[in-house]
Amino acid sequence: LAKTTQPISMDSYEGQEVNITCSHNNIATNDYITWYQQFPSQGPRFIIQGYKTKVTNEVASLFIPADRKSSTLSLPRVSLSDTAVYYCLVGDMGNQGGKLIFGQGTELSVKP
Amino acid sequence: IAGITQAPTSQILAAGRRMTLRCTQDMRHNAMYWYRQDLGLGLRLIHYSNTAGTTGKGEVPDGYSVSRANTDDFPLTLASAVPSQTSVYFCASSGWGSYNEQFFGPGTRLTVL
Repeated sequence: LAKTTQPISMDSYEGQEVNITCSHNNIATNDYITWYQQFPSQGPRFIIQGYKTKVTNEVASLFIPADRKSSTLSLPRVSLSDTAVYYCLVGDMGNQGGKLIFGQGTELSVKP
Repeated sequence: IAGITQAPTSQILAAGRRMTLRCTQDMRHNAMYWYRQDLGLGLRLIHYSNTAGTTGKGEVPDGYSVSRANTDDFPLTLASAVPSQTSVYFCASSGWGSYNEQFFGPGTRLTVL
């Protein structure tokens, strides 16, 4: 099982770029890397997903090195509303629904 | 209904009682999941179902059971609740395949006394 490790917390200021790294040393060939955002009293919400190299969408970028043993979620120019917990998820939802492992989550605090 | 709904929103339950948490999705997703979330432990998978009629055990299945009689519903049952099952429970669903994101419900806050 691809267990993940993330920093427990991070602080940032409005307008800065934030990079959150997740380690997943035992990632399998068919595993994808997915990041979720969670606000208090809400369910997690999908941010971005990737397999290798770089993926970018309207809210974030995901960087995955060639060995895929880690990944970095990059949030450009954060605002106060980005204060949330961010989870890294590694797994193959196609064939191993029971093998999905969430990380501990990184609590991001954005200050004015 | 739009997305995933869970019921009840919250519940206080006496230890030893039976409880069923309900989850319904209207996205025709094949896969559904139940997670529990505890402070400091993140999200842990309890049970999952890749398609109607099949279920599987996740990371922390003991004390819980599930059924998947149809595509839309995925109830989670605590046969005899214990205080350690006090948690926030999230149901999620996804389409089949590695690209598919999980959509989460709003959660059920359960307290077992």
